[in-house]
Amino acid sequence: QVHLEQSGAEVKKPGSSLKVSCKVSGGTFSSYALSWVRQAPGQGLEWMGGVIPALGTPDYAQKFQGRITVSADESTRTAYMELSSLQTEDTAIYYCARGRWLQVGFFFDFWGQGSLITVSS
Amino acid sequence: DIQMTQSPSTLSASVGDRVTITCRASQSISTWLAWYQQKPGKAPKLLIYKASTLEGGVPSRFGGSGSGTEFTLTISSLQADDFATYYCQQYHSYATFGQGTKVDIK
Repeated sequence: QVHLEQSGAEVKKPGSSLKVSCKVSGGTFSSYALSWVRQAPGQGLEWMGGVIPALGTPDYAQKFQGRITVSADESTRTAYMELSSLQTEDTAIYYCARGRWLQVGFFFDFWGQGSLITVSS
Repeated sequence: DIQMTQSPSTLSASVGDRVTITCRASQSISTWLAWYQQKPGKAPKLLIYKASTLEGGVPSRFGGSGSGTEFTLTISSLQADDFATYYCQQYHSYATFGQGTKVDIK
């Protein structure tokens, strides 16, 4: 069975950066899209970016271009998401999700438990 | 970017009701649409992909239809476990979610 285990909750200062990890167990690691989706308090879901380890090149939502980096380490079956220049509006639950991909689109069949990131001075 | 709009935002229903949620895309996405269920404090759960294909283990009371720009999620007979928020998501180009539809108890 596929399981995604994320790193824990963090409190960050405005202007700082965050790095969240997502360890995948079960299933094939390299041929799926590992994506990051966030959910601000009481709000909907927002895709941020993702990477297909077998292909290597990440894709990012335009909104986050320039301050997000998504990567994946096949040797440890772990995906990472780094977000810089944090603002209070970045307070959210950050989910990693395994994506089945088609050309340039993905939908998500397995999700991590979420990592609550609070940005506060 | 492709925008996704769901209606209604909130839906009040009773156990046993037939429930329909609509999702519209700002441009044609063929049938590249998925539906998710999310309960408070939990990650979303995939219900349907390719507009109408039920994910394994999802009860058959859930159904999806549509193509192009208009899609529906139908729950044929609402059960107590179905009170949740539902999201559509296009994957014609990357991924965009609708704003969600909360199904609560009438």
